[in-house]
Amino acid sequence: DTAVSQTPKYLVTQMGNDKSIKCEQNLGHDTMYWYKQDSKKFLKIMFSYNNKELIINETVPNRFSPKSPDKAHLNLHINSLELGDSAVYFCASSQANGRAIGNEQFFGPGTRLTVL
Amino acid sequence: DQQVKQNSPSLSVQEGRISILNCDYTNSMFDYFLWYKKYPAEGPTFLISISSIKDKNEDGRFTVFLNKSAKHLSLHIVPSQPGDSAVYFCAASYLQGAQKLVFGQGTRLTINP
Repeated sequence: DTAVSQTPKYLVTQMGNDKSIKCEQNLGHDTMYWYKQDSKKFLKIMFSYNNKELIINETVPNRFSPKSPDKAHLNLHINSLELGDSAVYFCASSQANGRAIGNEQFFGPGTRLTVL
Repeated sequence: DQQVKQNSPSLSVQEGRISILNCDYTNSMFDYFLWYKKYPAEGPTFLISISSIKDKNEDGRFTVFLNKSAKHLSLHIVPSQPGDSAVYFCAASYLQGAQKLVFGQGTRLTINP
């Protein structure tokens, strides 16, 4: 039974389109994250939500808007897609915010976004 | 400015030998460090961690060493097995507060039979 799932796994779209990536976790965790792995393979955090509340918002263009309808879901909506948005996007979750030890992050399988 | 660096993009080791993966960081405020393992087409999976109050943490075949003065950590795998072939990411974070992991760029480990 998948702990952190993402849909779709692959997404190919044209520049200028709007697209969404969905993430769900069945671990009962309170905190969820979005990371981006760029062409140089660096994984960088974009957003984090704790119990549907935004707690981390890195320097990300406002074309990216996360939405957390409940604590088990964190979706990522991207407006006006650009070539540079092509990357692998990973969702993650952890048990609680505020303590690191014992609350390691569990990652989804990733969504490979290709913007043409 | 990359705060966590893994300077070896790849490493090849004979099965049964020791694998040593290295990681350097620049931000002295980091006090919690993790290693993640990643197979192709999968997300990273947590392997082992260490807090800054320790200099060593061991879990089975995996040991992480932390040298705070050098801002350096390493992951030792012994003995190395073919299933250990993967990309290994070093990450740094904070013991308290919002859990923002800062990752290195990864090292691809290949274990040769």
